[in-house]
Amino acid sequence: NAGVMQNPRHLVRRRGQEARLRCSPMKGHSHVYWYRQLPEEGLKFMVYLQKENIIDESGMPKERFSAEFPKEGPSILRIQQVVRGDSAAYFCASSPRGTGGLYEQYFGPGTRLTVT
Amino acid sequence: GESVGLHLPTLSVQEGDNSIINCAYSNSASDYFIWYKQESGKGPQFIIDIRSNMDKRQGQRVTVLLNKTVKHLSLQIAATQPGDSAVYFCAETFQGAQKLVFGQGTRLTINP
Repeated sequence: NAGVMQNPRHLVRRRGQEARLRCSPMKGHSHVYWYRQLPEEGLKFMVYLQKENIIDESGMPKERFSAEFPKEGPSILRIQQVVRGDSAAYFCASSPRGTGGLYEQYFGPGTRLTVT
Repeated sequence: GESVGLHLPTLSVQEGDNSIINCAYSNSASDYFIWYKQESGKGPQFIIDIRSNMDKRQGQRVTVLLNKTVKHLSLQIAATQPGDSAVYFCAETFQGAQKLVFGQGTRLTINP
């Protein structure tokens, strides 16, 4: 059973470009979470999605950031017009049911975004 | 607001000794706690969890203790090995929250 897959593992973008980060959850998991990690810091929640629905986006910046989890295919975190402050590691996690405080989230290896 | 913090940002121990990593949390509504291990360049890896109706849980070489009175969580690693070198994060959540709140992390280094 393959784990959570993320690609690309490393992404370099110039200021003003768009970044697209992909996440394929574990088989059988329909709940996806995105977190951002700055160097030497803990992970910060961004968004929680189920298939075709955004459930909680309270951690997403109001502008330039969007996320989706279509019926078919991976979840996508999209950052438009990237700025240097967007440089971070972005982690995706999945769970078989909504965590709701009770179920483990399994993390992918992350995408390290560098904005030059 | 919700927050999870750690007492020590770094911890250095001798190989073979026991390690204790501490974590303080502030949200008294939190009822589920998880310890994650993160090695350099990798995603967090689940170590052990504990629900608020328990005060201790043991795994293989690891024990988590929960003190709800003082909102304190600890991770004990027995007979620490070089492979235990990593950053350890505690995370908390509560039923219905859907998201994990992570602490800053403690870097554990093992001296030979």
